[in-house]
Amino acid sequence: DADVTQTPRNRITKTGKRIMLECSQTKGHDRMYWYRQDPGLGLRLIYYSFDVKDINKGEISDGYSVSRQAQAKFSLSLESAIPNQTALYFCATSASGRSTDTQYFGPGTRLTVL
Amino acid sequence: GNSVTQMEGPVTLSEEAFLTINCTYTATGYPSLFWYVQYPGEGLQLLLKATKADDKGSNKGFEATYRKETTSFHLEKGSVQVSDSAVYFCALSDGGANSKLTFGKGITLSVRP
Repeated sequence: DADVTQTPRNRITKTGKRIMLECSQTKGHDRMYWYRQDPGLGLRLIYYSFDVKDINKGEISDGYSVSRQAQAKFSLSLESAIPNQTALYFCATSASGRSTDTQYFGPGTRLTVL
Repeated sequence: GNSVTQMEGPVTLSEEAFLTINCTYTATGYPSLFWYVQYPGEGLQLLLKATKADDKGSNKGFEATYRKETTSFHLEKGSVQVSDSAVYFCALSDGGANSKLTFGKGITLSVRP
């Protein structure tokens, strides 16, 4: 079984709809992250959480919110989806704050906003 | 702020060709450097990393050397295979307890038989 899972894997929605993307991990990591990937732009950090009570904005948090329901679960919400939020979204986890620590990525959620 | 610059892509090579993908960075302090790979339809996975100047990371025939004097971390492989076709991302972590990854834009490699 995958260590980092994301649901749904694909989602098509309409402008103005609220949508939630979910991430679960079985790695026992404290730290979790949400990124979006756009062609030619690489990965950009949306939000990150260093433990259950810690939530931090990344470089592109506008239009998004997150919830850390448990150590293993970190969900991303789009309160009112817009077409420029069409992208591939990745969740990632890491064990601690050492700069050498590897981040482990989920398989991604492809979101299309019409 | 921190930044990572990768060479423009895409790159198309024949099987067994030599591969170089350039990566340069801007960071304060002493960052750790990473190469991640994304195979079609999958998430990113760590390919290799280096944590200090002159360190060489290696994995699956790929190598990259942390060059502080040129602020570079170029990825090389002596003989690519079709299965190496993927998107490659260079990234840095600026160190410290609250460090996060900064990614380059990624480059798509296609290897033809």
